[in-house]
Amino acid sequence: GENVEQHPSTLSVQEGDSAVIKCTYSDSASNYFPWYKQELGKGPQLIIDIRSNVGEKKDQRIAVTLNKTAKHFSLHITETQPEDSAVYFCAASKRRNAGNMLTFGGGTRLMVKP
Amino acid sequence: DTAVSQTPKYLVTQMGNDKSIKCEQNLGHDTMYWYKQDSKKFLKIMFSYNNKELIINETVPNRFSPKSPDKAHLNLHINSLELGDSAVYFCASSQEYQPLSSYNEQFFGPGTRLTVL
Repeated sequence: GENVEQHPSTLSVQEGDSAVIKCTYSDSASNYFPWYKQELGKGPQLIIDIRSNVGEKKDQRIAVTLNKTAKHFSLHITETQPEDSAVYFCAASKRRNAGNMLTFGGGTRLMVKP
Repeated sequence: DTAVSQTPKYLVTQMGNDKSIKCEQNLGHDTMYWYKQDSKKFLKIMFSYNNKELIINETVPNRFSPKSPDKAHLNLHINSLELGDSAVYFCASSQEYQPLSSYNEQFFGPGTRLTVL
């Protein structure tokens, strides 16, 4: 089955700095890679996703890159703000019969210091 | 206008008891999921239902029995609760069958924190 590794497990940055979270996956058939943000006491919320037919995607201060050959993908947050503090999860998925089974990384706790 | 709702939010119970967690989505989605998040925040899928039919069962003990009375609801019943069942359980939903789209966002509920004593 799929295995997703995520690093680092915790990340502390100063407000305004950039944050980078990296993930690797094992199943070369995986072709959908979402990133979720989980705030304290809440469920995960999708912030950006990328499909295997593109190498990079950007949405305002958030960008994701994908290297299919190396089987790794990364989340980049620029100009971090205190409200970016949360746990971030990467995930990988491939289409199966009916349904989209996500395998999650172990999560990164991001702390943005004002 | 809650999208995915779960009840209860907190559940504290004794070992050996049977308990249920309810989930409802008002997004009109056709697929619903249950995930378990352990104390280290690791998030793992348990079940997936599409139009009331089980499509994914990730080696979950048969003490866990999901039930989908209609495509807007997916409830989780747990028999003979064990200490290791303590976790946060998340329900999620997505719309899987859309033309020209293979992957669709999963919307998560707020979670149910289960504590087994």
